[in-house]
Amino acid sequence: DIVLTQSPATLSVTPGESVSLSCRASQGISTSIHWYQQKSNESPRLLIKYASQSISGIPSRFSGSGSGTDFTLSINRVESEDFSVYYCQQSYSLPHTFGAGTKLELK
Amino acid sequence: EVQLQESGPGLVKPSQSLSLTCSVTGYSITSNYWGWIRKFPGNKMEWMGYISYSGSTSYNPFLKSRISITRDTSKNQFFLQLNSVTTEDTATYYCARYYGGYAYWGQGTLVTVSS
Repeated sequence: DIVLTQSPATLSVTPGESVSLSCRASQGISTSIHWYQQKSNESPRLLIKYASQSISGIPSRFSGSGSGTDFTLSINRVESEDFSVYYCQQSYSLPHTFGAGTKLELK
Repeated sequence: EVQLQESGPGLVKPSQSLSLTCSVTGYSITSNYWGWIRKFPGNKMEWMGYISYSGSTSYNPFLKSRISITRDTSKNQFFLQLNSVTTEDTATYYCARYYGGYAYWGQGTLVTVSS
């Protein structure tokens, strides 16, 4: 199985800061990575697909980059509604796997 | 708009089977892939498997001996059965549509395995 390692586990920021969340794959997966946001008691929401493709309805402050084994989700100027957990997920091979998540919290 | 909704028992006894239904509206399950994903207490997410537009299935090898995903196209529903459950299967279970990422999810249903 492909292991996805997310870092950091927790990121403490103040609103207005810009942040980068990392996801590293245990083997090359081209750009077959997707990013999700999950708030408490809600279902995950797809933010970015295939590493950098935007999703309709998602604010433009969210962007993704990377290929191969290293991927980044960037949030430009964090807003209060962004404090939640972020997951990466790979679809390069079965079984699909998820990272352990990065919790974005208010400093 | 695509909507998914899970239903099923919230409490299952150890060694019994867990059965959930995902009802889909706004899109036919004879297109794309339809999966089950669970989230354990502590935030770990696990892909369980999916059923394709043609009815073929793929399962997580970790669960392969216990899991079955089926569908009823006339009702636009698909189903999860997980056999011989233990307390380790306590989780929130989600159904979701896969097409370049999981863009549509149900609200999730908490299943507790306990005697």
